Amino acid sequence: QKEVEQNSGPLSVPEGAIASLNCTYSDRGSQSFFWYRQYSGKSPELIMSIYSNGDKEDGRFTAQLNKASQYVSLLIRDSQPSDSATYLCAVRVSNTGKLIFGQGTTLQVKP
Amino acid sequence: SQTIHQWPATLVQPVGSPLSLECTVEGTSNPNLYWYRQAAGRGLQLLFYSVGIGQISSEVPQNLSASRPQDRQFILSSKKLLLSDSGFYLCAWSLQVSYGYTFGSGTRLTVV
Repeated sequence: QKEVEQNSGPLSVPEGAIASLNCTYSDRGSQSFFWYRQYSGKSPELIMSIYSNGDKEDGRFTAQLNKASQYVSLLIRDSQPSDSATYLCAVRVSNTGKLIFGQGTTLQVKP
Repeated sequence: SQTIHQWPATLVQPVGSPLSLECTVEGTSNPNLYWYRQAAGRGLQLLFYSVGIGQISSEVPQNLSASRPQDRQFILSSKKLLLSDSGFYLCAWSLQVSYGYTFGSGTRLTVV
């Protein structure tokens, strides 16, 4: 059974701080990794994708991937109250088009 | 641009009643289509996925079924709902298997 693990939180950070969200996965053959943001009562929204080891930056977001450690992270710089949401890590199961999601980490950014 | 439509937004159904949720994608052809369920306070569970008309793969045994009668239409059904079928049902699409999905707005189903 392929698994994706996340700390459910909540992770609480002050406005302007860096929020660090972490995810581990079990499928060593996975090649595609995604971060989704889900506001309460809404559907998930894709915010980052990463396919190679290292960092990928997009605005205030940085995704980090370490395939050897089977670890994916998301950094949010200059956190804003509007970033308060649940962040879902998703991993594509190797040799399929299926995504497996973690349980999500709830982020609270306090003004 | 591509858009995904999902309806209804909310639904309250009695135990034992049938269910039909519909999802359509506009602005693309031959998308991969997916049905997920998110139970309260839990992660997303893949229920069905389809790579083409009439091609359905089921991920978990349950009293739900899916159909894809047209290229951009995906339907989730049940003949008799159970209390445990309550949840947030999400349809999603992607064009390439390596890409992330785009989700519809979801249907919140409460079985009473």
